[in-house]
Amino acid sequence: DAGVIQSPRHEVTEMGQEVTLRCKPISGHNSLFWYRQTMMRGLELLIYFNNNVPIDDSGMPEDRFSAKMPNASFSTLKIQPSEPRDSAVYFCAIKPGESDEQYFGPGTRLTVT
Amino acid sequence: GENVEQHPSTLSVQEGDSAVIKCTYSDSASNYFPWYKQELGKGPQLIIDIRSNVGEKKDQRIAVTLNKTAKHFSLHITETQPEDSAVYFCAASNNQGGKLIFGQGTELSVKP
Repeated sequence: DAGVIQSPRHEVTEMGQEVTLRCKPISGHNSLFWYRQTMMRGLELLIYFNNNVPIDDSGMPEDRFSAKMPNASFSTLKIQPSEPRDSAVYFCAIKPGESDEQYFGPGTRLTVT
Repeated sequence: GENVEQHPSTLSVQEGDSAVIKCTYSDSASNYFPWYKQELGKGPQLIIDIRSNVGEKKDQRIAVTLNKTAKHFSLHITETQPEDSAVYFCAASNNQGGKLIFGQGTELSVKP
């Protein structure tokens, strides 16, 4: 967890509200990944960036989801409008340099009521 | 697309015994296979990985084996301790950008 800060750690919101999840890598990286974890579907890749450019967003469930990486030190995942089925733990992970290893943040637990 | 199957879904062992978790993958182009340990309320933690040019790798009580022909790989934990209790995930990647496909997870319980 030490290489990635995620905020908030917990978010409870009502259906229809906009939700913004934040990721701040604190160590060097080339790539940044957003994952979603649920009991039913396990760990799923939503989108990843390489050198701040979105490379593969095929895992983004629908247009309500969007992600940005304005610079190497910050990324956001936005859900608008949120729905109860979006309730999950969302993880950000980084891949330093040209290595294969990915290091995960502590996650944001999202509950949409 | 790539699919990774992991078994068993739950595993209970006595302290000191060995634990083995197995995964199979579908994409023959996969060449990187990490294992993650996830404790309650935390993010997955990388514990060991293996690349396709190696058949076995060991790090203290943890070892991973890879059979590329059969497209399966396994995690072995020896002399298990209660602190090994967690959910373990295998994953596979064909190294195109680093996209990881995860198995469904194994909940390991080590009873003292």
